[in-house]
Amino acid sequence: QSALTQPASVSGSPGQSITISCTGTSSDVGDYNYVSWYQQHPGKAPKLMIYDVSDRPSGVSNRFSGSKSGNTASLTISRLQAEDEADYYCSSYTSSSTRIFGGGTKLTVL
Amino acid sequence: QVQLVQSGSELKKPGASVKVSCKASGYRFTVYGMNWVRQAPGQGLEWMGWINTNTGNPTYAQGFTGRFVFSLDTSVSTAYLQISSLKADDTAVYYCARDGLYGSGIYYDYWGQGTLVTVSS
Repeated sequence: QSALTQPASVSGSPGQSITISCTGTSSDVGDYNYVSWYQQHPGKAPKLMIYDVSDRPSGVSNRFSGSKSGNTASLTISRLQAEDEADYYCSSYTSSSTRIFGGGTKLTVL
Repeated sequence: QVQLVQSGSELKKPGASVKVSCKASGYRFTVYGMNWVRQAPGQGLEWMGWINTNTGNPTYAQGFTGRFVFSLDTSVSTAYLQISSLKADDTAVYYCARDGLYGSGIYYDYWGQGTLVTVSS
């Protein structure tokens, strides 16, 4: 099964908002509200930012939000900060009872 | 507090085997599933599969069958990943990651620090 499709890179200036998309199929993103998002800084383990499409774990800034429409999920980061510069990955459950990651998106804060 | 502590970096020759450990603490080990995730150098995350820590039943993703084995020692709250017949393209950082506590639980709320496995002659 191919990875979920994410843009390779996005960028924004401090204070702006950006959105990262994650496109799957009706067998994964489109069929389950089990999409999660992870932030990974260089050389570090990934960190959970959003789970079950739009729920935010305790301790994660409310500048991070998630949504889904059809086969595409989205992560929005508002009021961009320098520390948000990182790689971001989406993940979904699939109809094969497996899970899959997106290819990853590099966020650059200009 | 929840912690997943993995074993240290490994340097192996092609054809050898390696066993990576992931020791859990701060929670009841057998309540949450444990996942394994691979990240090749400069590449993205790949879900390798997961193991039901209550039953010991493993599920492997496509591409991770045959040479990859997940196992447990619940007496010491530790999950293991064994890779046999190592190839150069197995060179990667391997993470263990716990299934989530809230909602569906189908996400990874705690991660190990990663174990770098390098396969080189």
